[in-house]
Order: sequence, then C-alpha cells, then structure tokens
Amino acid sequence: DIQMTQSPSSLSASVGDTVTITCRTSETINSYLNWYQQKVGKPPKLLICAASSLQSGVPSRFTGGGSGTDFTLTISNLQPEDFAIYYCQQSYNIPRTFGQGTKVEIK
Amino acid sequence: EVQLLESGGGLVQPGGSLRLSCEASGFTFSTYAMSWVRQAPGRGLEWVSVISGSGRSTYYADSVKGRFTISRDNSKNTVYLQMSSLRGDDTAIYYCAKDLGRWNCLDVWGQGAPVTVSS
Repeated sequence: DIQMTQSPSSLSASVGDTVTITCRTSETINSYLNWYQQKVGKPPKLLICAASSLQSGVPSRFTGGGSGTDFTLTISNLQPEDFAIYYCQQSYNIPRTFGQGTKVEIK
Repeated sequence: EVQLLESGGGLVQPGGSLRLSCEASGFTFSTYAMSWVRQAPGRGLEWVSVISGSGRSTYYADSVKGRFTISRDNSKNTVYLQMSSLRGDDTAIYYCAKDLGRWNCLDVWGQGAPVTVSS
C-alpha cells in the first residue's frame, strides 16, 4: 500500500496568513493527489484534483502543487471559513489512501 | 443538482450485518465509479471500497475485504455496501462519493450514514 505522510498534523494561523500543508507518498504517484477540506459535522469537500486542478467554486487562494512523491496545499490570505481539517489522498492505486489530516486552527 | 443520499445506517451487534444504500441524482449514474469512505469517531478518513460504472470491477480495503460487498443497480441510481461480520472498529460514519473520472478524485459526497457496532 502507498503510505501517506501529511504534515503538520495541526497548525495555528491568523486571518490573512499564508499556510502550506505537505503530503509525501511512499512511492511515486505522478499527479494522482487530491486535497479535501472537512468542517465539523460535514462531509469532506474536494478542493483540488490531480495535484493542482482547482475545483469549480473553490476560491483561488487555494493552490495545489507537486508531483511524484511530494505535494503541497497552500492557502493564501487565510479566511475565517478556511479553518477546518485538510486531507490529502492518493488515487493512483488501490487502496486509495488518505493522509492523517491537518487541522488548521485560529491563532 | 447533483446529490447523494445515504440510508440504512444504525446500531448493530458485533457479528451482525447491515446494508447501506446511496441513491444518486443529478448526473448520469452509470457513467461514474462510486466509492465508500468511512470515518471513525474523532478519526481521519479511511477509503473502503470502489465500484466501476458498469459494476463489473470492485475493489476493497484490506480491513473490510471478505466482509463487505459493494454493488450497484444502475436502473435505480443506487450503490450499496453490504456489511457482514461487523466489529467494533467498523463503527464510523460511512460516506458514499462520486468518482470524478480519470483522476479518481471524489467530487460529490453524501451526508453520511452512521453505523455503530455495539452490544
């Protein structure tokens, strides 16, 4: 199975900050890396597909990058509604493993 | 509007069975693979299973292989997860999700069906 290492597990930031979350995979997955946002009591929401493709309706302050084994999700100009848990997921092969999540909290 | 609606969750005793259903609307159901993802209380997301649009191909996480069966009825726009030999660590919210396509990302999610395995 492909192992996912997501870091940090949590971070504190202020409105207006820029934060970066990293996801590393145990083997190369080309660009089969997706990012999801989950708020308390809600299902996950797809933010970015295929490493860098922003989903329709997702603000442009969310940026995905990377390929191979190292990927990033950057949130610029952090807004109050961005405080949530973020998960990466590889969809290169089965099982389609998720990272352990990064909780973005208000400082 | 694209929508997924799960049903069938509930309380079941260890060793018991339960079938979850997920009814889709707003898109051509048979065109897309469908997945199940679960989330144990206070934990992260765990991918469970996926079924192709035709239903001919199915895949499972090792943790559920041999106990869970995914299926679909394209005439009813519904995907199912039959769960048997349930254990306490199967307690979770179970989400069904639509596979976007080539990159296999999950672009539409249901609200989730809670499953509690307890005596």
